[in-house]
Amino acid sequence: GAGVSQSPRYKVAKRGQDVALRCDPISGHVSLFWYQQALGQGPEFLTYFQNEAQLDKSGLPSDRFFAERPEGSVSTLKIQRTQQEDSAVYLCASSFGAQSYGYTFGSGTRLTVV
Amino acid sequence: AQKITQTQPGMFVQEKEAVTLDCTYDTSDPSYGLFWYKQPSSGEMIFLIYQGSYDQQNATEGRYSLNFQKARKSANLVISASQLGDSAMYFCAMREASGRGGSNYKLTFGKGTLLTVNP
Repeated sequence: GAGVSQSPRYKVAKRGQDVALRCDPISGHVSLFWYQQALGQGPEFLTYFQNEAQLDKSGLPSDRFFAERPEGSVSTLKIQRTQQEDSAVYLCASSFGAQSYGYTFGSGTRLTVV
Repeated sequence: AQKITQTQPGMFVQEKEAVTLDCTYDTSDPSYGLFWYKQPSSGEMIFLIYQGSYDQQNATEGRYSLNFQKARKSANLVISASQLGDSAMYFCAMREASGRGGSNYKLTFGKGTLLTVNP
């Protein structure tokens, strides 16, 4: 597709449930980023991939968060044993290079943990 | 300390008028980039404009211009001739060239300004 595609668009999870969020970047984009946007806040960096290599995961809030991009295209962000504080919009962005002027963001997945 | 400060939680503007959205930043890195993104209610972040710290001229993109005052560490977004479709959240962000651990790819965002354009 022409843009970054994220699915599902909305996800409601019961506390303790595992979830998986998918990101389809723009074809050919080497760099892929995940950001977390809490209600009323700006996005915050979670992790960065260059092709299939996860070069930075310093923003992941806990070891319950795990991200992968096994073939250097589609990426999945997995959250185990979800907690209420995990409720947020999870945004994926991609670009040709890490220092590109403007990353292309997807529409995000809104996760609500009840 | 906040790296990006947007002091206006909300702004109102009449259609066809110009509006300025404020952004101040804090960095000791001599090389950095400043970005503005628009986030409509649909959720996606739309890139609007970029200003590099060494750029001599203020960036412009169509109706968007960036009022870059380096000494004051401000990077205000000016939207001319506002349209109803400009109603959205606007985020200022910074990328430092030599971020911690060499992480020169992270964007640090402010809390955003909600712009409402009135007909």
